[in-house]
Amino acid sequence: QLQLQESGPGLVKPSETLSLTCTVSGGSISSSDSYWGWIRQPPGKGLEWIGTSYYTGSTYYSPSLKSRVTISVDTSKNQFSLKLSSVTAADTAVYYCANGRIRSRVDYWGQGTLVTVSS
Amino acid sequence: QSALTQPASVSGSPGQSITISCTGTSSDVGGYNYVSWYQQHPGIAPKLMIYEVSNRPSGVPDRFSGSKSGNAASLTISGLQAEDEADYYCSSYTSSSSVVFGGGTKLTVL
Repeated sequence: QLQLQESGPGLVKPSETLSLTCTVSGGSISSSDSYWGWIRQPPGKGLEWIGTSYYTGSTYYSPSLKSRVTISVDTSKNQFSLKLSSVTAADTAVYYCANGRIRSRVDYWGQGTLVTVSS
Repeated sequence: QSALTQPASVSGSPGQSITISCTGTSSDVGGYNYVSWYQQHPGIAPKLMIYEVSNRPSGVPDRFSGSKSGNAASLTISGLQAEDEADYYCSSYTSSSSVVFGGGTKLTVL
């Protein structure tokens, strides 16, 4: 059973870069039938897809976030990461890391981590 | 891209059937058979209930079914149970190689 665990700062200052890591256990991040991505959920609101990556480095991002987002995969550590630059209060959300057999769906979710943007 | 359109809330009594709609465009729902549905109980991560319009992952009861017609997809839950009370989200692959979610629907079991 694949397990995902997010880690990173819970508080980020406005204009800085949000950085999160997702550690994968129970499976290999180099699996040919897996995509690795991030989804967020502002408090009390709906889900928003951020982007996804294949272990080869191919990436796909939300058009609305594309200019600020980088998702990368570290096969040596079985981890993948999210960087979101120039954050504002609107980026405050629970961030979920995710896995899907195809990039259009999520089969496994991390437990989520709340990131608050505030000075 | 705009979020897919879902009703804010639906309700039903135990044993009844309910349907949640998810309306998009020809650039997402209507253009691809990559519609998924997720169930989310308060405070925990969502769970995949339906993928590729009408397929159920292992372990999901057959009370849950999905369908699509044109630019709209639907999730039907038959034989409603108390534990079905949750938020439900649809999602679709899009022509920009991204994924878009619906705004979510709160299901209340009366």
